[in-house]
Amino acid sequence: EAGVAQSPRYKIIEKRQSVAFWCNPISGHATLYWYQQILGQGPKLLIQFQNNGVVDDSQLPKDRFSAERLKGVDSTLKIQPAKLEDSAVYLCASSSLFRGDQETQYFGPGTRLLVL
Amino acid sequence: DAKTTQPNSMESNEEEPVHLPCNHSTISGTDYIHWYRQLPSQGPEYVIHGLTSNVNNRMASLAIAEDRKSSTLILHRATLRDAAVYYCILRDVRTNAGKSTFGDGTTLTVKP
Repeated sequence: EAGVAQSPRYKIIEKRQSVAFWCNPISGHATLYWYQQILGQGPKLLIQFQNNGVVDDSQLPKDRFSAERLKGVDSTLKIQPAKLEDSAVYLCASSSLFRGDQETQYFGPGTRLLVL
Repeated sequence: DAKTTQPNSMESNEEEPVHLPCNHSTISGTDYIHWYRQLPSQGPEYVIHGLTSNVNNRMASLAIAEDRKSSTLILHRATLRDAAVYYCILRDVRTNAGKSTFGDGTTLTVKP
């Protein structure tokens, strides 16, 4: 079974530029998560999708971050314009069940973003 | 949201057992305790989860206190490949509830 795919793996941009990350979850997984992980910290949830609907985006900085999951499969996360503090690893995860007693999240390798 | 507290770092010798503690004093009755670990330069991976009873799988064991306010992840024989950051998180059993609040985890160093 293929895992969660993310691209690109690395991205370097200058502040105020735009950037987009792509995630392809495990086939059949209805729930998709985007996390931001700053160096030395644990992952912080940005947005959670159930199929193509947003379940939780309370921690997404909506003035500059946006995400979509068209057709309930692939997802893209965009930052426009980027700030220095956006430098982090962006992790995508998926799960087949969104229930705390059964859910296992499968993470992709992440995209490492450096904003100069 | 209920939060978890873990020590910043722990050390272990190779082939010895490791006990990684987690405090979750504000846990609710519908919260499951999940453990993930993150190897260097990789995304987190699932380790184990439980509600009230102790749990075992091929990777580890999970010991849950009777009052559920703390839990311990047990690696029975640490190997160098177990060096990672270990996260204890709470996930609500109810559908459409709960955030994956990871915290900063415990960095486990395994010495040969």
